[in-house]
Amino acid sequence: DVKVTQSSRYLVKRTGEKVFLECVQDMDHENMFWYRQDPGLGLRLIYFSYDVKMKEKGDIPEGYSVSREKKERFSLILESASTNQTSMYLCASTTNNSPLHFGNGTRLTVT
Amino acid sequence: SQKIEQNSEALNIQEGKTATLTCNYTNYSPAYLQWYRQDPGRGPVFLLLIRENEKEKRKERLKVTFDTTLKQSLFHITASQPADSATYLCALDPSLGNAGNMLTFGGGTRLMVKP
Repeated sequence: DVKVTQSSRYLVKRTGEKVFLECVQDMDHENMFWYRQDPGLGLRLIYFSYDVKMKEKGDIPEGYSVSREKKERFSLILESASTNQTSMYLCASTTNNSPLHFGNGTRLTVT
Repeated sequence: SQKIEQNSEALNIQEGKTATLTCNYTNYSPAYLQWYRQDPGRGPVFLLLIRENEKEKRKERLKVTFDTTLKQSLFHITASQPADSATYLCALDPSLGNAGNMLTFGGGTRLMVKP
């Protein structure tokens, strides 16, 4: 079974802090994604990557950046956390034309 | 604008009945549509995929239909059980050429199956 592991289940950070969310997958998938999930808004795509060192903006990239230095690892970076970035963050991976495999999420609270 | 709509109100049904969840979309021409299950505090888990040229797909107690004329997919769980209680998400491929797996998700419908 594909395993997508997000390094933290819960994080509490202060406004203005730099935050790193880490995601690792073990199935050699080319594609990796970061979504955020908010009540009433569903899952919204932040960034995705089709290959190492490659990144593309999703629907809501503002305030975020990503890093993909190795195929199995995709990091989401909040350069200066703000309270409106309090959310559930979900990482996913896939190979072409196959369904998404999600991690269990990181619930980030910015105070 | 492009939109995917699922009933945001929870669906409450009695154990043993068939649950039917609806996914409607506008201004998309998806190549396929997917359904996921999400339990509280967990990531979504893939259930079924149906392609634009398929009318119906089944997997055990699950059935999905896809009507590209109505722009609607229905997700059925027959002989429902309390363990089926979860939020169900539909997602579609916008068919934007090389967008690949860039899925767009609906807001999800919470299903509660009462014993």
